[in-house]
Amino acid sequence: NAGVMQNPRHLVRRRGQEARLRCSPMKGHSHVYWYRQLPEEGLKFMVYLQKENIIDESGMPKERFSAEFPKEGPSILRIQQVVRGDSAAYFCASSPGTGGLLTDTQYFGPGTRLTVL
Amino acid sequence: QQPVQSPQAVILREGEDAVINCSSSKALYSVHWYRQKHGEAPVFLMILLKGGEQKGHEKISASFNEKKQQSSLYLTASQLSYSGTYFCGTALRGGYQKVTFGTGTKLQVIP
Repeated sequence: NAGVMQNPRHLVRRRGQEARLRCSPMKGHSHVYWYRQLPEEGLKFMVYLQKENIIDESGMPKERFSAEFPKEGPSILRIQQVVRGDSAAYFCASSPGTGGLLTDTQYFGPGTRLTVL
Repeated sequence: QQPVQSPQAVILREGEDAVINCSSSKALYSVHWYRQKHGEAPVFLMILLKGGEQKGHEKISASFNEKKQQSSLYLTASQLSYSGTYFCGTALRGGYQKVTFGTGTKLQVIP
C-alpha cells in the first residue's frame, strides 16, 4: 500500500516564476493537508482540503498561493510569482476522513523542497 | 494557539530516559505525536484523546492530562534511532480535522 506521494521532491525556481507542487494521498484517503516548514522550525498549517472543497485555508497567504484537490488527480499547491521567502519544505499529509467525532491521524508525504533563486 | 513544547532540545546517552512536554492554552480534544528525522517526513507515533489516557509503543509512551491541557511523551532506555525532532499536534474538538503543531523538541541520542 503506497504511502502519500509528493512530486517533485526538489524544485528550483527563479523569482517571479510559478511553482506547482503535487500530492497524491494514500489510497482510500479523502482529506489532504498542506504544511510549510522552514529550516529548524515547526510545521505551519496552510490549508485543509477534501475532494473538490477547501475546508480551511486559514494558514494560506492571501496572495500568490492557491490549492485545489480535484475530483480526479492529485492535490496541487500553486505558488505564483515566487519570492526568496517562499523557499521551504512543503509537506502534504492525508487522512481517511472517517474519524467521525475523532480527529483522524495524518500521514505525511516525503515533502517538496522548494528553492527560489 | 500553537502548543508549546519543552525542552527545546535535549541530548541523551544511550539508555537514558527523557520526557517531552506539550502544553496548550486552549482546551484540547486530542494530542498527536510525531517524530521527524532530518530531511525526512514526520512519522506518526501515537494519538491520545481527552480522558487522561496513557498509551505505549514499545519504550515510547505518552499521557494526556486534560485538566492541565498538557501531554507528555516518555522515552525510556533511549536508543540511537530515537534521535530526531519530536512534534506534538493538537486538535481542539472532535470531528475537526485541523491539527496545530508545536514548536518541536530536538532530541539527540549519543553513544
